[in-house]
Amino acid sequence: EPEVTQTPSHQVTQMGQEVILRCVPISNHLYFYWYRQILGQKVEFLVSFYNNEISEKSEIFDDQFSVERPDGSNFTLKIRSTKLEDSAMYFCASYSSRGADTQYFGPGTRLTVL
Amino acid sequence: AQRVTQPEKLLSVFKGAPVELKCNYSYSGSPELFWYVQYSRQRLQLLLRHISRESIKGFTADLNKGETSFHLKKPFAQEEDSAMYYCALSLPWGLTGGGNKLTFGTGTQLKVEL
Repeated sequence: EPEVTQTPSHQVTQMGQEVILRCVPISNHLYFYWYRQILGQKVEFLVSFYNNEISEKSEIFDDQFSVERPDGSNFTLKIRSTKLEDSAMYFCASYSSRGADTQYFGPGTRLTVL
Repeated sequence: AQRVTQPEKLLSVFKGAPVELKCNYSYSGSPELFWYVQYSRQRLQLLLRHISRESIKGFTADLNKGETSFHLKKPFAQEEDSAMYYCALSLPWGLTGGGNKLTFGTGTQLKVEL
C-alpha cells in the first residue's frame, strides 16, 4: 500500500536558522496538508495546499512559514527563522479527492529548536 | 470555530472489558467525524469515519447529533488495542473552498491491561 513519507525523521536546529521539512505524498493525491503537534498537546492544522496554491491556513502559519511543491512529487514546509516554540512533531498528509477517501499521514518529523 | 473535546487523557481497562472513548464536538452544521489511532512509534491512521458506518477491529462509533457526540466503543478490549486515539472533525466539503482540514481532539491514551 502506498504511504506518505517524510524526511528527516528528526531535525535539530539552532534558533534563528531556516529549516525545510520534506514530504512525498501519495502519487495520485491532489490535496496536501501540514499539521504539527507540540509535545503533550493536540495535533493542529497548519496549512492545506491544492492546485499549487494554499487553500487554507491557520493562525499559526504566519510569514515565517511557507510551503512549496517544487517538482510535482515533494511537498515542503519551510520555517524561515526558527523559534524555540517551533519545536514539535510535524506531520504531512495527503488526500486523493473529495468523497470516500481519507487523509493519509506521514510518520512525522520531530523538529527540535535549541 | 469548530472544536473537538476528548475528556479523558488516559483510559485504562482490563482485557475483555468494554471500552468507550468519549468524543464531543462543537459545530452547528453537519460535520464529518473520524477516529484516528496511533500505535506506539507508528503514524496516525484512520480507524473509522461516521459516514462509513462500519466496524473496524471491533470498534464502532455512532454520531449523535443531539448530543454532538461520536464516542468510540468496543465490547471486548484486546491487548493490541493499546494506543493513542484521536477524534477528529472536518467540515462539509466545499465549505472552506476545498482542503477539508482536520480538527483534532487532545487524544485519549488507551491502555489495556492483562
